[in-house]
Amino acid sequence: QQQVKQSPQSLIVQKGGISIINCAYENTAFDYFPWYQQFPGKGPALLIAIRPDVSEKKEGRFTISFNKSAKQFSLHIMDSQPGDSATYFCAGGGGGSYIPTFGRGTSLIVHP
Amino acid sequence: DVKVTQSSRYLVKRTGEKVFLECVQDMDHENMFWYRQDPGLGLRLIYFSYDVKMKEKGDIPEGYSVSREKKERFSLILESASTNQTSMYLCASSLPGVRKTEAFFGQGTRLTVV
Repeated sequence: QQQVKQSPQSLIVQKGGISIINCAYENTAFDYFPWYQQFPGKGPALLIAIRPDVSEKKEGRFTISFNKSAKQFSLHIMDSQPGDSATYFCAGGGGGSYIPTFGRGTSLIVHP
Repeated sequence: DVKVTQSSRYLVKRTGEKVFLECVQDMDHENMFWYRQDPGLGLRLIYFSYDVKMKEKGDIPEGYSVSREKKERFSLILESASTNQTSMYLCASSLPGVRKTEAFFGQGTRLTVV
């Protein structure tokens, strides 16, 4: 059972465009949702995280939107740059254990 | 900065060998994890440890075991390597509570079993 479903699997965006990655979760005990960014040859690194008591969180060009009733959350990358080209993972945690459960990842390519 | 160091970037082992993957973290984190990363499947949890000598199975523990004799070190053991264990292995550590979901990852070990 895939507890965190992520889409799309791959995404190509032109420089300056908006990249949007969507995730949906099934475990209603989840109450913490981080996003990770992974460059080739590196391990994933925490990018931004949100709790369901807020509907949006912004850090620079990165924004998480959260819809608790739909059990969905998304990452928006504004003014996408070639340096943003990476694999992005959403995750959920909660229910006492908070062990991160990851989506399957989105490979983002930003063309110059 | 938190540093999680995996002992090898690349490993090539033969089928049936016993394989040890080592991981060390330098931030006194209670929690340590081993994940496996495969294309299209994301990160899947193999084992988790929340304290020295304590461990819990993750989603795909079959064929693996772990050891945590010291707080900073978490080892993944492939008892008898098989070709379907060819993968990228990622070690991570984190603080307790809700911060557990904010994992710090090592650079990964790409294991090839031939």
